[in-house]
Amino acid sequence: DAKTTQPNSMESNEEEPVHLPCNHSTISGTDYIHWYRQLPSQGPEYVIHGLTSNVNNRMASLAIAEDRKSSTLILHRATLRDAAVYYCILRVTYSGAGSYQLTFGKGTKLSVIP
Amino acid sequence: DSGVTQTPKHLITATGQRVTLRCSPRSGDLSVYWYQQSLDQGLQFLIQYYNGEERAKGNILERFSAQQFPDLHSELNLSSLELGDSALYFCASSRANYGYTFGSGTRLTVV
Repeated sequence: DAKTTQPNSMESNEEEPVHLPCNHSTISGTDYIHWYRQLPSQGPEYVIHGLTSNVNNRMASLAIAEDRKSSTLILHRATLRDAAVYYCILRVTYSGAGSYQLTFGKGTKLSVIP
Repeated sequence: DSGVTQTPKHLITATGQRVTLRCSPRSGDLSVYWYQQSLDQGLQFLIQYYNGEERAKGNILERFSAQQFPDLHSELNLSSLELGDSALYFCASSRANYGYTFGSGTRLTVV
């Protein structure tokens, strides 16, 4: 499986933007980039995903490098509720609608300072 | 509520016993995935079912098995339980062009 590399931990001040980096130098042309987050004692939560173009949704923005070898998850204004482990994952697609596998790494533990 | 329902939320059992964890996927999702998360460990992929058929296997022990029924709910069976099997077990479902939706998990404690 293609691998991703993320910093183990990051800190951010509340109400400031956060940029969470991810390197995926072995990404293939059909791999989607997915981001999830996991709050303590909860199941992972889907954040955003993209293929080539930058993506925005109500939770975050995803900036994808032109060569697709890296991406950045952007939280525009960090809140205390954003403190979580953030996972950057490359999606391996199998045949069948909605059938694919996600391999989670260690992720980045984001701490938000009041 | 994510739409993925896992039962029970908590389970305490003794070594050597067998348990069954249940997962109901989000309405319309054909794929179900099982993950194990031990204390301070990452999420380990166990197995995936798609529309009733096994699609992919990860680090699933031979003592563990799963199935997906015609109504698309899935069960994960864990047998001959050991202390090291204590973990959070998550189920997720998915559909085309979207991410995974995870349930809130079953916390299994083997004593």
